[in-house]
Amino acid sequence: SQTIHQWPATLVQPVGSPLSLECTVEGTSNPNLYWYRQAAGRGLQLLFYSVGIGQISSEVPQNLSASRPQDRQFILSSKKLLLSDSGFYLCAWSGHVIYGYTFGSGTRLTVV
Amino acid sequence: AQSVAQPEDQVNVAEGNPLTVKCTYSVSGNPYLFWYVQYPNRGLQFLLKYITGDNLVKGSYGFEAEFNKSQTSFHLKKPSALVSDSALYFCAVRASLYNQGGKLIFGQGTELSVKP
Repeated sequence: SQTIHQWPATLVQPVGSPLSLECTVEGTSNPNLYWYRQAAGRGLQLLFYSVGIGQISSEVPQNLSASRPQDRQFILSSKKLLLSDSGFYLCAWSGHVIYGYTFGSGTRLTVV
Repeated sequence: AQSVAQPEDQVNVAEGNPLTVKCTYSVSGNPYLFWYVQYPNRGLQFLLKYITGDNLVKGSYGFEAEFNKSQTSFHLKKPSALVSDSALYFCAVRASLYNQGGKLIFGQGTELSVKP
């Protein structure tokens, strides 16, 4: 069966520090991968999505970047964190269009 | 452009009563519709989906949803609410045309509170 792993679960980082969040999927190949941010426990903002290795689409201009170095690995990064980067970050994967997403368990990022 | 609206920020229901969480959508082509539930500090969990076929879709934990094409709605329902159903619920739509990475468009979420 397919599983998705996201880590770490919580992270506290100082302003100006770098960030690297990792997401990996098992049990499937060539998944579509997505990074979302959820602020204030509510709406989901799509940050990046990827339909293949090295293919990244950015939804909103921001302080973050994403990479997909391997088929089932999706990384969210920042060179210098801002206070406004705090939030709950969710990774998800999807296969065929008739399927929805399967979400990871999320990372709570607090920038101090 | 695709969009999803959840008109209620919060729904309050007494335990044992029926519940409805509303969702309307706008999409070009045939819609693929989904409901997800999120508990505090957790990822979203899939509840049910409508792809084609019967307008009444049954899902996890006793939830069901009714697809209404003329009203472009996909309301989530449960005949008898439980306190444990209290959570944040998201409706989402995906166009049948496989473009833009097959993105799901999510509503803003509805907080369901079930009181004993």
